[in-house]
Amino acid sequence: DGGITQSPKYLFRKEGQNVTLSCEQNLNHDAMYWYRQDPGQGLRLIYYSQIVNDFQKGDIAEGYSVSREKKESFPLTVTSAQKNPTAFYLCASNSGVGYNSPLHFGNGTRLTVT
Amino acid sequence: QKEVEQDPGPLSVPEGAIVSLNCTYSNSAFQYFMWYRQYSRKGPELLMYTYSSGNKEDGRFTAQVDKSSKYISLFIRDSQPSDSATYLCAMSRRGSTLGRLYFGRGTQLTVWP
Repeated sequence: DGGITQSPKYLFRKEGQNVTLSCEQNLNHDAMYWYRQDPGQGLRLIYYSQIVNDFQKGDIAEGYSVSREKKESFPLTVTSAQKNPTAFYLCASNSGVGYNSPLHFGNGTRLTVT
Repeated sequence: QKEVEQDPGPLSVPEGAIVSLNCTYSNSAFQYFMWYRQYSRKGPELLMYTYSSGNKEDGRFTAQVDKSSKYISLFIRDSQPSDSATYLCAMSRRGSTLGRLYFGRGTQLTVWP
């Protein structure tokens, strides 16, 4: 079954610690994305990558970092510089080509920082 | 003003009702319009995808786009308890990758039997 796998489903960290969220896809998609979802707010784009070894900042990239060493994988690191890290993080992918490839999402990682 | 506005609800209807969900937007560069359904603690799943103005129907779902009014709608006919979820509208700019989306806040829908 093709899809996007995010792990872990729940993550708890102490303030001041960096944490890395995993995202793997077996859809053979070129482009991958990280969105953040907060209660009462729409999803907001953190980072995206349209090709291996390249990525761009989204609307709220401060305090986050990413890497794209493999086509299948796009991990997100939430650094201690992120002021409000507690949120639901969603990874997504699409073929990245043309305008006929809407996003497919994983089932998210809920991060709680105390 | 947010680029995409969506009434968060909650909306509660009886089984069998017709549901109307709406979003407005301010950026005339938006050209691709999507509706996602999100169940609790899950990722959004794509329901409908339309390009520019007009209607698109898929089973019990109809998506409508009125670019002149900057208004999009999703209609659900014969609603079922399994339709209970949060519905997110999303849109993408002309010339942008379809993954670079701007979302509404989502409308929480409950369909009771």
